Amino acid sequence: EIVLTQSPGTLSLSPGESATLSCRASQSVNNNYLAWYQHKPGQAPRLLIYGASSRATGIPDRFSGSGSGTDFTLTISRLEPEDFAVYYCQQYGISVLTFGGGTKVEIK
Amino acid sequence: EVQLVESGGGLVQPGGSLRLSCAASGFTLSSYWMHWVRQAPGKGLLWVSRIKPDGSYTTYADSVRGRFTISRDNVKNTFYLQMNSLRAEDTAVYYCAGGDSGYLGYWGQGILVTVSS
Repeated sequence: EIVLTQSPGTLSLSPGESATLSCRASQSVNNNYLAWYQHKPGQAPRLLIYGASSRATGIPDRFSGSGSGTDFTLTISRLEPEDFAVYYCQQYGISVLTFGGGTKVEIK
Repeated sequence: EVQLVESGGGLVQPGGSLRLSCAASGFTLSSYWMHWVRQAPGKGLLWVSRIKPDGSYTTYADSVRGRFTISRDNVKNTFYLQMNSLRAEDTAVYYCAGGDSGYLGYWGQGILVTVSS
């Protein structure tokens, strides 16, 4: 099983600032099969990024993904009020998929 | 509009069984891998299981393998999660989701399963 470790656990920022979220894998993720999701309380999770850097349909370009191998990053430039949520990375490079523990982006 | 709607959740005693269903509308189930993901109270997301579009291949998280079974009926545009030998730690909101073999572009709103005596 690939363990994904997300950091920081919580990020306190103001609207308009940029957020940098990290996801580190316990072993290399095949083909950079790494996705990012946004999750708000009481709502379904929302796919943001797949293949480490491809934005899903309808996702604003202030969301960007990067990285390869074991280290991946989600960057949110110019935080909007609706961006405050929990973000999860997820790998799908092996038959057993796994999520990271999440990073909460909260309003400072 | 794509909709995935879960049903079949509720309260069950430890050791009991429950079958979750996920009905799709505005969405041709047979074209997609389908997954179950859960979130225990106060915890993060945990991937549970997935099934190939034709139903010929399934995989499971270590924590549920041997107890849970995923299946699908593409004619009914519905897929399922049969949960046996339930434990308190299986208590969670269960989401059905669909998409590629690995990433999940479509999600249901979730349904609560509570395992308690």
